Amino acid sequence: QVQQQESGPGLVKPSETLSLTCTVSGDSISSYYWSWIRQPPGKGLEWIGYVYYSGSTKFNPSLKSRVSMSVDRSKNQFSLKLNSLTAADTAVYYCAGHRGGFFDNWGQGILVTVSS
Amino acid sequence: EIVLTQSPGTLSLSPGERATLSCRASQTVSGRYLAWFQQKPGQAPRLLIYDASNRASGIPDRFSGSGSGTDFILTISRLEPEDFAMYYCQQYGSSPQTFGQGTKVEIK
Repeated sequence: QVQQQESGPGLVKPSETLSLTCTVSGDSISSYYWSWIRQPPGKGLEWIGYVYYSGSTKFNPSLKSRVSMSVDRSKNQFSLKLNSLTAADTAVYYCAGHRGGFFDNWGQGILVTVSS
Repeated sequence: EIVLTQSPGTLSLSPGERATLSCRASQTVSGRYLAWFQQKPGQAPRLLIYDASNRASGIPDRFSGSGSGTDFILTISRLEPEDFAMYYCQQYGSSPQTFGQGTKVEIK
């Protein structure tokens, strides 16, 4: 069964760029679409966007101007970059694999705090 | 984008009771492309239902989903102690995918 694990910094300064990586194991990265989803503390879920193994991407319009995603097939990893951070970007960030539009494989999540 | 409104915000019930959770969409959800998730504190969401009424792998049959168009329901036929949690609906018929704000099922 596919599993994924998020990694990256837990604390980032305002105005800087967040870089997160999701490492996939148990299956090929080419078998799924890979999304990033975030959840501010005590709040609901927000889809950020997805990347496919080919490199094609689709982003939530609310974040599109600040987001990029990429895939490293040799490492079975994919990545998220979110720039111009503010306190509103503080959240648990999840990576999730999916074949359809619903998210059936979730990482455990990583808490990212934006603070100086 | 499609806005999903879940009700009630909190549902207070006892083990063994039936839970009925509602998810209403601001526009028709095409293809019945609606999913339900369960989330417990400190854990990632867990897929329960997809395509409005299909149970995900390993999900007990006390969980069922129904609905179409703009109105969807998640039913838990008899609450077990492990079912007390947050529940979210998600539509994936239109981009961007969106989630409801959640319903908390708590022990009465």
